Amino acid sequence: RKEVEQDPGPFNVPEGATVAFNCTYSNSASQSFFWYRQDCRKEPKLLMSVYSSGNEDGRFTAQLNRASQYISLLIRDSKLSDSATYLCVVNLSTGKLIFGQGTTLQVKP
Amino acid sequence: GAGVSQSPRYKVAKRGQDVALRCDPISGHVSLFWYQQALGQGPEFLTYFQNEAQLDKSGLPSDRFFAERPEGSVSTLKIQRTQQEDSAVYLCASSLVGRDSEQYFGPGTRLTVT
Repeated sequence: RKEVEQDPGPFNVPEGATVAFNCTYSNSASQSFFWYRQDCRKEPKLLMSVYSSGNEDGRFTAQLNRASQYISLLIRDSKLSDSATYLCVVNLSTGKLIFGQGTTLQVKP
Repeated sequence: GAGVSQSPRYKVAKRGQDVALRCDPISGHVSLFWYQQALGQGPEFLTYFQNEAQLDKSGLPSDRFFAERPEGSVSTLKIQRTQQEDSAVYLCASSLVGRDSEQYFGPGTRLTVT
């Protein structure tokens, strides 16, 4: 079983739709949590950190449930420019990042 | 400002050849990480340096893989006797000191072993 599991998709949604991604992690000692975005043939870039209290950045909302070891990302009012792969990432206490497989989002006009 | 740079961007090697991949981290970043990303997968951790000290090499897949950062800045990932399964994108990331510091990724080196 992978340490971080995500549905690879693809998720095909129309512009303006709301879309949600989920991931689960297996290591209960995980310290911090993130969503990264990766465009085709580009490097991953930090989208946002994820906290138990939930956090929002514009159209993006991230949530962490430590008890269920579950992380989510909600994108409202999808834009064409949101098309990318979204990587769920866990940081162990050592600092190394453990990535999920990534979920591909394609926003259609 | 300058981000993380990697060279070469693309490398084609014949099976059995040795390759060396270079990473120039952001100036002043203490921590440096190497990851391997196979097609359709997320990056996988290979190794981690804090300054010149290699603190974690648990992700290196075999003893053919070797990384160094002798002066605490530029790092080189070397792969000896390359195999086809080594074909992947090799990503380097750097961060300020501290385990929770944001990691900034370079563009990667795409290695193809034929």
